[in-house]
Amino acid sequence: AQSVSQHNHHVILSEAASLELGCNYSYGGTVNLFWYVQYPGQHLQLLLKYFSGDPLVKGIKGFEAEFIKSKFSFNLRKPSVQWSDTAEYFCAVLDTGRRALTFGSGTRLQVQP
Amino acid sequence: DTAVSQTPKYLVTQMGNDKSIKCEQNLGHDTMYWYKQDSKKFLKIMFSYNNKELIINETVPNRFSPKSPDKAHLNLHINSLELGDSAVYLCASSPRAGTLSFSGNTIYFGEGSWLTVV
Repeated sequence: AQSVSQHNHHVILSEAASLELGCNYSYGGTVNLFWYVQYPGQHLQLLLKYFSGDPLVKGIKGFEAEFIKSKFSFNLRKPSVQWSDTAEYFCAVLDTGRRALTFGSGTRLQVQP
Repeated sequence: DTAVSQTPKYLVTQMGNDKSIKCEQNLGHDTMYWYKQDSKKFLKIMFSYNNKELIINETVPNRFSPKSPDKAHLNLHINSLELGDSAVYLCASSPRAGTLSFSGNTIYFGEGSWLTVV
């Protein structure tokens, strides 16, 4: 069965600090990976996704993620965070058999001005 | 202009009541989903429908019954509500299931329906 682990449950950073959120997955099929963000009181929004090709994926708002197959990882990065990046971040893997996303437990990012 | 819209956004109700949450998408997608987000923000799929046909039916109590009158709508009816049903219920849609692995296709989520059972 597929699973996604996000080991950082709560991250607190100061503005301009660099960000890296960990995501490890377990899935036996073709890997399709996603990062979603949920700002307070808002809906889940797609940050970026990986299907194939270049393992370094760039998304919206300056985020990027790197797919490392040998490590079963898809970590999210941003060189310099802003206060507006305060949100919950979810990593997910597409279960192509069940045709649905399996999410990690989420990481709450708090950026202090 | 909202792509995936849910009603109501907030719902407070007593134990034992029956309630429904409605979802509509105007994206022309064939597949719709219900996810549950608990108090710890954990997201878990409950149901998915592809063009009105039930595809995924997770191990949720049979008090929960989805209904899809057409491919643009997926409603969730909950009977005999319990305290543990308090959560955020997220509706989502995507292009035809099976095409999700193609670049450009993704799952779009609604804003969620916050259900509180007292």
